[in-house]
Formats: sequence, C-alpha cells, structure tokens
Amino acid sequence: EAQVTQNPRYLITVTGKKLTVTCSQNMNHEYMSWYRQDPGLGLRQIYYSMNVEVTDKGDVPEGYKVSRKEKRNFPLILESPSPNQTSLYFCASGSPRGVFGPGTRLTVL
Amino acid sequence: AQKVTQAQTEISVVEKEDVTLDCVYETRDTTYYLFWYKQPPSGELVFLIRRNSFDEQNEISGRYSWNFQKSTSSFNFTITASQVVDSAVYFCALGGSGTYKYIFGTGTRLKVLA
Repeated sequence: EAQVTQNPRYLITVTGKKLTVTCSQNMNHEYMSWYRQDPGLGLRQIYYSMNVEVTDKGDVPEGYKVSRKEKRNFPLILESPSPNQTSLYFCASGSPRGVFGPGTRLTVL
Repeated sequence: AQKVTQAQTEISVVEKEDVTLDCVYETRDTTYYLFWYKQPPSGELVFLIRRNSFDEQNEISGRYSWNFQKSTSSFNFTITASQVVDSAVYFCALGGSGTYKYIFGTGTRLKVLA
C-alpha cells in the first residue's frame, strides 16, 4: 500500500530538548515536504526536498532542520524546540499531488 | 507573491443543502496547480482534486463539483446534497509548476447538521 508514515504520532517534550520526527515514503517519490498546521493559519510549508541531498526552505523554516540522505526518508529536526513550535506536523510525498502522512502532534512545554 | 484566501472560516448547513466553499488565489506564475483537500475530524488530509491552470473545465465527481475561473482567480468547491459525513475542514492550495512551494489557505470548517 502506498503510504507516508510519520513517527512519533504524538510527542510531549520540554523546551530545548532536541527531537526528530521521522517521515518515510514507499512510493519512490523524489519530492517530499514538511508542513505545520496551526489554528487559523492553515498549513504552512517548512522545508521541502526535490531529491536526495537537495532541500530548500519553505515559508516557515526558522527553528527547523531537515536532511535527505536517502530517497525514502525525510526527517524533521528540532534542535532546540520552543513552545511556539507546538503544532500539528505533516509530512507529504510527491508533487504536484501530495500524499500526506497521518500527522505528528507535538507539544513543547 | 503567492496567496490563497478562503474567506469563509466556518459554514453550517442542514443535511441535503448545497454548499459552496470559496477559494481565491494570487500568483504570477502562468502555469500552476490548484488543489482541494479534506481534513475530517480524525485529522488526516484527504486529497480531493488537482486542477492545472491551463485546464479551465469544471469537474464533477459524484456530489462534488469544482468551478475554476482564471478570470476571477477562483477555484470554488460545491457539495450537492450535503451529508453529515461531509463535516470537515476543507483546504484549498496552490502550487507553481516551476517551484516546489505550496501555499495553503486557512481552511473552511464545514458543519453539516442532521
């Protein structure tokens, strides 16, 4: 089954504690992307990757890092999370039509 | 700059009513894509439709239809004979063909009352 998986699905952490949200796809897509969803703001693109080792900033990249060392994986890294990064995060694979992962709800205390 | 506006924050209708969700976009690209996604209460994002900028044909899929008008930069979504299962947040999105950036609207929450 074609799908995008994200882990963890839920995470509560504290300010400053580095974390990684993993994203994996099994569709051999070159394009992958990360979004955050906040009430009243819709989805905003954080980073995207056109292929292995090729990434670029979306609209809200501050405080986030990504890497794309292999085609199937596109982890999102928060090196020093802050409360304003509390959000619902979605990974998407494929372009122009994106297949979205199930989401990761992150709370930073 | 690219922008997507969904001016309707929340709409409530009674079951079997028709409802139209508005989407207005701004872009300087001559070739672009428009999308609609549904987010039910369970939280996942469900793809509904993609439309290319060079294809202004309206589309109908069951109770769903989409009206794309480049002259008014609008891509509206109509649900005919709404059902309770249509209750969700609906997002309109814009993507340029030459870039890999995607812009989402702020969403419209649709409540269909039995």
